[in-house]
Amino acid sequence: EAQVTQNPRYLITVTGKKLTVTCSQNMNHEYMSWYRQDPGLGLRQIYYSMNVEVTDKGDVPEGYKVSRKEKRNFPLILESPSPNQTSLYFCASSLSNSGGPLFLYEQYFGPGTRLTVT
Amino acid sequence: ELKVEQNPLFLSMQEGKNYTIYCNYSTTSDRLYWYRQDPGKSLESLFVLLSNGAVKQEGRLMASLDTKARLSTLHITAAVHDLSATYFCAVVTSGTYKYIFGTGTRLKVLA
Repeated sequence: EAQVTQNPRYLITVTGKKLTVTCSQNMNHEYMSWYRQDPGLGLRQIYYSMNVEVTDKGDVPEGYKVSRKEKRNFPLILESPSPNQTSLYFCASSLSNSGGPLFLYEQYFGPGTRLTVT
Repeated sequence: ELKVEQNPLFLSMQEGKNYTIYCNYSTTSDRLYWYRQDPGKSLESLFVLLSNGAVKQEGRLMASLDTKARLSTLHITAAVHDLSATYFCAVVTSGTYKYIFGTGTRLKVLA
């Protein structure tokens, strides 16, 4: 089954304790992305990756790190979490065109990770 | 500052009625995406609109794109309860792979 998986689904942690949220897709998608969703703010993009070893900042990258060492995996790292990073996080992936005009197909979203930082 | 604005933010409507959700964006973009999110769930893709004048329909939903006006609409025809969800539009800024989402329109269809 084509899917995007995230782990963990729920996480409660304390300020300053490093954590990693994993994201994996089995659709051979080039594009992967992380979002956070907060009430009244919609989804905001944290980081995205066009392919292996190619990452770039979204709108709200501060306090987050990512890596793309394999095409299927795109982990989100919080080196020193703070309470303002309490949020619902979504990973997503999509196909992109290879060559020609820039084009991204629709994104497939993971189930979400609810993070609470106390 | 790049913005994607949706109107209305909240919409409560009777079953059987028609309504339109508007999505305005402030930057050049050649394509626009619509997603649906059910309460407590993830997002799923509804439409990808690729060019000016594009129109797509799926069931009771129809989406259109006017890139000159930087406006997309999501029209709901004869609403049913199952359409209750939050609807997001999103754009990718031209020349980048960066997504900007609207804040969403929460739709509630009353029986």
